Amino acid sequence: AQSVAQPEDQVNVAEGNPLTVKCTYSVSGNPYLFWYVQYPNRGLQFLLKYITGDNLVKGSYGFEAEFNKSQTSFHLKKPSALVSDSALYFCAVRDGGYSTLTFGKGTMLLVSP
Amino acid sequence: DAEITQSPRHKITETGRQVTLACHQTWNHNNMFWYRQDLGHGLRLIHYSYGVQDTNKGEVSDGYSVSRSNTEDLPLTLESAASSQTSVYFCASSEGRTGSSEQYFGPGTRLTVT
Repeated sequence: AQSVAQPEDQVNVAEGNPLTVKCTYSVSGNPYLFWYVQYPNRGLQFLLKYITGDNLVKGSYGFEAEFNKSQTSFHLKKPSALVSDSALYFCAVRDGGYSTLTFGKGTMLLVSP
Repeated sequence: DAEITQSPRHKITETGRQVTLACHQTWNHNNMFWYRQDLGHGLRLIHYSYGVQDTNKGEVSDGYSVSRSNTEDLPLTLESAASSQTSVYFCASSEGRTGSSEQYFGPGTRLTVT
């Protein structure tokens, strides 16, 4: 069975500082990994994905994520946080092949001015 | 622009009533999904469809049903609403069968069962 863990319910960071939102996963085959963001009272928006290839993936709004196979992690990063980045972030995984997507429980990112 | 819409956006109903939540997408995607979002649980898959006349049960399908009669719509029906089904419901769609495609989400329906 596939699973994903987001160990932090909330991450607090000051504007201008780098941010990291952690995600670890478990699959039996090759993972397809995704990050989504949810702003208040909105649906989820796709940020970036790792399917294959370069371990560093760049996405929307200056976000990037690094796939680490040995640590089974896919942490979301941004070099300089903005107040407008404050939102709920979800990591998701599916096993290579066509299983359904499994989401983590989400991490609330709060960026203070 | 292509989009995915849900209606109603808010719904209050009574225990035992049948409720149908609508989902309509203009992406022309084959795949459609229904999730519920609850605090502490993230998103959990209720039902999904890979094409017309195809439906499949997800992780939390008890008490819910779907039907897919065309590409654009996947309505979700609560046969007899229960208080445990109070939640925010999201519809999503994606293309292809390889699993590498991202999902596009609707704005959600907040359902309250009293």
